[in-house]
Amino acid sequence: NAGVMQNPRHLVRRRGQEARLRCSPMKGHSHVYWYRQLPEEGLKFMVYLQKENIIDESGMPKERFSAEFPKEGPSILRIQQVVRGDSAAYFCASSPPRQGSGYTFGSGTRLTVV
Amino acid sequence: AQSVTQLGSHVSVSEGALVLLRCNYSSSVPPYLFWYVQYPNQGLQLLLKYTTGATLVKGINGFEAEFKKSETSFHLTKPSAHMSDAAEYFCAVSDANNFNKFYFGSGTKLNVKP
Repeated sequence: NAGVMQNPRHLVRRRGQEARLRCSPMKGHSHVYWYRQLPEEGLKFMVYLQKENIIDESGMPKERFSAEFPKEGPSILRIQQVVRGDSAAYFCASSPPRQGSGYTFGSGTRLTVV
Repeated sequence: AQSVTQLGSHVSVSEGALVLLRCNYSSSVPPYLFWYVQYPNQGLQLLLKYTTGATLVKGINGFEAEFKKSETSFHLTKPSAHMSDAAEYFCAVSDANNFNKFYFGSGTKLNVKP
C-alpha cells in the first residue's frame, strides 16, 4: 500500500523557468493538499483539492502558481516564471473524505531556483 | 484563521529526561489537534491526534498529549527521551470551518544529548 508519492524529490530551475511538482495520493484518498515549507519555518497551507475541484486556494500566491487534480493522474502544482523566493520544500498530503482523519504526507519536493 | 504557537524553536534534553513541547492555538471552537514529527529531508509523520473523547491522547513512540480547552493548549510529552527522538515536531490545528484544512506551528527542534 504505497503512501503519498511526490516527484521529483529535488528540482533545480533557473529563474524564469517553469516548475511542475507531482503528487499521487494514497489509495482511497480523494483529498489532496499542498503546503510550502520555507527554511526555518513551519508549513504554510497553499491549496486543497478534490478530484477536478479546487476546494480552497486561499494560500496560493495570486500570480504564477496554479494547482490541479484531474480525474485521472496525479495532482500537479505548477509554478510559472520561478524566482529565487520560490525556493522551498513543497509537501503534498492526502486524506480520506472523513474529517479529522489527519494527513498522510509525501516526502516533499525540494525546489531550488538558481 | 487559526494561529498556532509553539513556544521554543529549539529544545534540548538529556537522554532519559522528560520531553515537553508546547503548543497553544487560538480558537473558541474546539478543533481537531495533531502532532507531527519530521526527520531530516523527510515528510511529516503523524504522531497522534485529538478529535473527540478522552483529552489525553497516546501516540506512537511513547508520546502523548493532553487537550486542555480552558488553556487552548495541546502540549506533547514523553516521560523518557531517546536519542532517536531527535527531530522537528509540528503542532497542527484544524480550521474551525473546514476540519480538513490545517494550520501548522513553526516547529520545535528537539535535540537529545547523550
